[in-house]
Amino acid sequence: EDQVTQSPEALRLQEGESSSLNCSYTVSGLRGLFWYRQDPGKGPEFLFTLYSAGEEKEKERLKATLTKKESFLHITAPKPEDSATYLCAVQSAGGGADGLTFGKGTHLIIQP
Amino acid sequence: DVKVTQSSRYLVKRTGEKVFLECVQDMDHENMFWYRQDPGLGLRLIYFSYDVKMKEKGDIPEGYSVSREKKERFSLILESASTNQTSMYLCASSVEVMNTIYFGEGSWLTVV
Repeated sequence: EDQVTQSPEALRLQEGESSSLNCSYTVSGLRGLFWYRQDPGKGPEFLFTLYSAGEEKEKERLKATLTKKESFLHITAPKPEDSATYLCAVQSAGGGADGLTFGKGTHLIIQP
Repeated sequence: DVKVTQSSRYLVKRTGEKVFLECVQDMDHENMFWYRQDPGLGLRLIYFSYDVKMKEKGDIPEGYSVSREKKERFSLILESASTNQTSMYLCASSVEVMNTIYFGEGSWLTVV
């Protein structure tokens, strides 16, 4: 059974204080790893897809990286508007009907 | 940009009522999904559809049914709403199963 663990569950940072969110996974045959941002009361917004170890993707202050066991979402010099819950999901042949297993998310708060 | 639109953002229904949640996507995606999201439990797949009139059960299909009569539209039906179906419901779509999933804004359903 595929498993995804996100850490920490919650993270509070000062504006400009860079940090990383972790997504550890155990899957049988990774097809893709996805990062989403979710604002309170809204649906998840797609950020990145990573397919193979060593791959990196960037968007504004966010950079996602992938190894064979985990992915990191690095946030550089965050701003208050980066506050959200960040979800990680892995897709594999061993996942559910949709092939996906979601983590529980990291709730990120950026204080001005 | 991919657009997944859920017609009702907030609903309050009585126990035993029949509830319809509608979802439309504008990207000609083959696959559409219904999830529910609950605190501490994360995202769970209810049903998905890989073609018109085709459907597959997800992890928690009990108490729900779905309908897909047109490619762009996917409906979730609660035949007889119960209080334990109070949740946020998310519709999503993807061009193919093992591919990025895009979510709608969510529908908050309260059953009283």
